[in-house]
Amino acid sequence: SQQGEEDPQALSIQEGENATMNCSYKTSINNLQWYRQNSGRGLVHLILIRSNEREKHSGRLRVTLDTSKKSSSLLITASRAADTASYFCATDAFGETSGSRLTFGEGTQLTVNP
Amino acid sequence: DAGVTQSPTHLIKTRGQQVTLRCSPKSGHDTVSWYQQALGQGPQFIFQYYEEEERQRGNFPDRFSGHQFPNYSSELNVNALLLGDSALYLCASSILAGGTDTQYFGPGTRLTVL
Repeated sequence: SQQGEEDPQALSIQEGENATMNCSYKTSINNLQWYRQNSGRGLVHLILIRSNEREKHSGRLRVTLDTSKKSSSLLITASRAADTASYFCATDAFGETSGSRLTFGEGTQLTVNP
Repeated sequence: DAGVTQSPTHLIKTRGQQVTLRCSPKSGHDTVSWYQQALGQGPQFIFQYYEEEERQRGNFPDRFSGHQFPNYSSELNVNALLLGDSALYLCASSILAGGTDTQYFGPGTRLTVL
């Protein structure tokens, strides 16, 4: 079963705009990770945020984590057509050894129009 | 530095047949996890191998089995294939002993069962 839900399921924006995707999860976690997937190919790791962190940046990416609400958001600033992909959040459950199974959400399909 | 590699890229089988998928982890990684991703969904955890033993298992039937070799590479075997086994099978590698939380994914094997 899926741990979390991503919102929205699909997002279409123009190049240069910002894109925000949200993820909710159900159980306590060690960390939360965001991945990108292009056209049904392999997953590319974007960023990891630990349960004791609230915000993290990497280039044009900004991730926030609210453990009290069991939710996270991924912001992509100044989007480009090459950002078109599916984005997944994945959680590493608390209580298990870190680096154990990841539980993924259903994903958000982002389309950036040139 | 080679990333995670998987073979074959694509595979077509018929119901009732057996299939073996292969994965070579990223250099220096000792742990391999397998995930199944049905079309339009997020990946689901099948199992994880560490030190040549199955360390964790998801909610998959015994038809799904695996193996890890001394060089850390891994195989996923599926017996008595069903139409519902058609999916993208993803392998991910990580370093369990070093406490690295990030899992790095391969490009996947697309399995079609007819």
